Amino acid sequence: TQLLEQSPQFLSIQEGENLTVYCNSSSVFSSLQWYRQEPGEGPVLLVTVVTGGEVKKLKRLTFQFGDARKDSSLHITAAQTGDTGLYLCAGGRYGNTGKLIFGQGTTLQVKP
Amino acid sequence: EAGVTQSPTHLIKTRGQQVTLRCSPISGHTSVYWYQQALGLGLQFLLWYDEGEERNRGNFPPRFSGRQFPNYSSELNVNALELEDSALYLCASSRQGIHEQFFGPGTRLTVL
Repeated sequence: TQLLEQSPQFLSIQEGENLTVYCNSSSVFSSLQWYRQEPGEGPVLLVTVVTGGEVKKLKRLTFQFGDARKDSSLHITAAQTGDTGLYLCAGGRYGNTGKLIFGQGTTLQVKP
Repeated sequence: EAGVTQSPTHLIKTRGQQVTLRCSPISGHTSVYWYQQALGLGLQFLLWYDEGEERNRGNFPPRFSGRQFPNYSSELNVNALELEDSALYLCASSRQGIHEQFFGPGTRLTVL
């Protein structure tokens, strides 16, 4: 059972365009992380959101955690070629089982 | 501050062999997590160690095992390797009780 559904799975856009990646679940999470991963490397943590409705900004990236803590979005403004990569959302469950539940990822390709 | 380190970076083994992967967490982090990222399957949780104890394991057979040392570094052992064990093995660390996990660069295991 895939508890976190990411969409779209693949996105190819031109430099300068805006985009939004969605991460949805029917389950409630105590926290949600967004990572970016380059081929053959480990995921790099971009942000952690813990409060329902929370919005965090990291330069051109805006992250939002849904009010009910079941969904999240990542919005990139004026994408650059350096934003190319695999974006992963990961949720932590209450009770601290230790594991993060990962979405399948969104592959973003930004063309010059 | 040094990040999570893993060794070796690459390994090639044949079916039936055994392998040991190593991980050193970020200084001050007591929890270590292991994930498997196989092609097309996303990140799957393997094991969680904290304070030298195994706290949780994912849905993997017993031939996947590990341990955590007093200095919080960790080993992942895989016995009787199978072709489907070929994957990127990722180690992550966190402060105790915190969901925010930081990943290492991974070990690429190829089983022939």
